[in-house]
Amino acid sequence: SQTIHQWPATLVQPVGSPLSLECTVEGTSNPNLYWYRQAAGRGLQLLFYSVGIGQISSEVPQNLSASRPQDRQFILSSKKLLLSDSGFYLCAWNSEAARGYTFGSGTRLTVV
Amino acid sequence: GDSVTQMEGPVTLSEEAFLTINCTYTATGYPSLFWYVQYPGEGLQLLLKATKADDKGSNKGFEATYRKETTSFHLEKGSVQVSDSAVYFCALSEGSNAGKSTFGDGTTLTVKP
Repeated sequence: SQTIHQWPATLVQPVGSPLSLECTVEGTSNPNLYWYRQAAGRGLQLLFYSVGIGQISSEVPQNLSASRPQDRQFILSSKKLLLSDSGFYLCAWNSEAARGYTFGSGTRLTVV
Repeated sequence: GDSVTQMEGPVTLSEEAFLTINCTYTATGYPSLFWYVQYPGEGLQLLLKATKADDKGSNKGFEATYRKETTSFHLEKGSVQVSDSAVYFCALSEGSNAGKSTFGDGTTLTVKP
């Protein structure tokens, strides 16, 4: 069966520090991968998506970046965090649009 | 572009009450439609889906019917429980768009005993 792992679950980082969030998928190959951010009490904002190794599309300009070094690994990074980067970050995958997403359990990031 | 509009919350119901959460969409093609549920502190879980007009998705007592003529996908449950308290998201996905989904803003449901 397919599973998705996302870590860490919670993170408190000072302003200006770097960030690395990791997401891995097991039990499938060549998944579509997505990073979303959910601000407190609000909806989902698509940050990045990837349809293959090394292929990254950005939806919103910001100080975050994403990479896909392996088929089932998706990394969200920042060189210098801002207060506005606080939020709940969700990784998701699918194999085709009609199947819907499978989400990871999320990372709660607080920038202080 | 695509968009999803959900009924604004929060919604508060008593246990065993009937639930409807409205969802309408705008899309250029023939999207697949989804409802997701998010429990506090967790990621989203796919609740149900429908891939073509007049399809009915169902799961855990929840239902939604894909209505192309009214571009709607309203979520219903006949008798809610306290454990149904969560945030519900309506979403659509068009196959030609790298599998990306467009989400509504979410509706918070609280069920009181």
